[in-house]
Amino acid sequence: QVQLKESGPGLVQPSQTLSLTCTVSGFSLTSNSVHWVRQPPGKGLEWMGGIWGDGSTDYNSALKSRLSISRDTSKSQVFLKMNSLQTDDTAIYFCTRLLGAIDYWGQGVMVTVSS
Amino acid sequence: DIQMTQSPSFLSASVGERVTLSCKASQNINKYLDWYQQKLGEAPKLLIYNTNNLHTGIPSRFSGSGSGTDYTLTISSLQPEDVATYFCLQRNSWPTFGAGTKLELK
Repeated sequence: QVQLKESGPGLVQPSQTLSLTCTVSGFSLTSNSVHWVRQPPGKGLEWMGGIWGDGSTDYNSALKSRLSISRDTSKSQVFLKMNSLQTDDTAIYFCTRLLGAIDYWGQGVMVTVSS
Repeated sequence: DIQMTQSPSFLSASVGERVTLSCKASQNINKYLDWYQQKLGEAPKLLIYNTNNLHTGIPSRFSGSGSGTDYTLTISSLQPEDVATYFCLQRNSWPTFGAGTKLELK
């Protein structure tokens, strides 16, 4: 069955770079797209960006200058890197499959930006 | 970017009541509108896609409608397990979510 699981550090210092990994199973990255969505504590959802089956990427214009999404199809992994983190980047980060709608979500990983 | 406005922000209703949630887009989104349910501490779950298509396994008391800029999620008979926050998402252009409607039992 389709599964996505995020992994990465729970704590990042201000101005540092966040690196997250999404490991997927039950579907191929070459024929599906994986997107990242984040949710600050107690707040709404924000689409960050994603990587399509052909390897092309799209980013939220508000994050584009700080964000990079890549993948390793042999390992069924998608990577998120975002630099210059600030306290308002504190959020739960979800990786998701976008097949028409966002039909599957990972459990999410809480990332706190603090010194 | 397309802005999505959900109303109301908070709703209290009784078991068995018919509930209607609204989502308004800042421009025509051509029915590329999805609804999600998020319970406390969980990831969102897809309920409805492309305005009115029920996702696999979702109870038939959930339905969606709309066109142009105005969309609606209806729960025909509210159940205790429906307590959650509901988000809309437009996919006509780069995805944007509404701020959510928090639904509680009266």
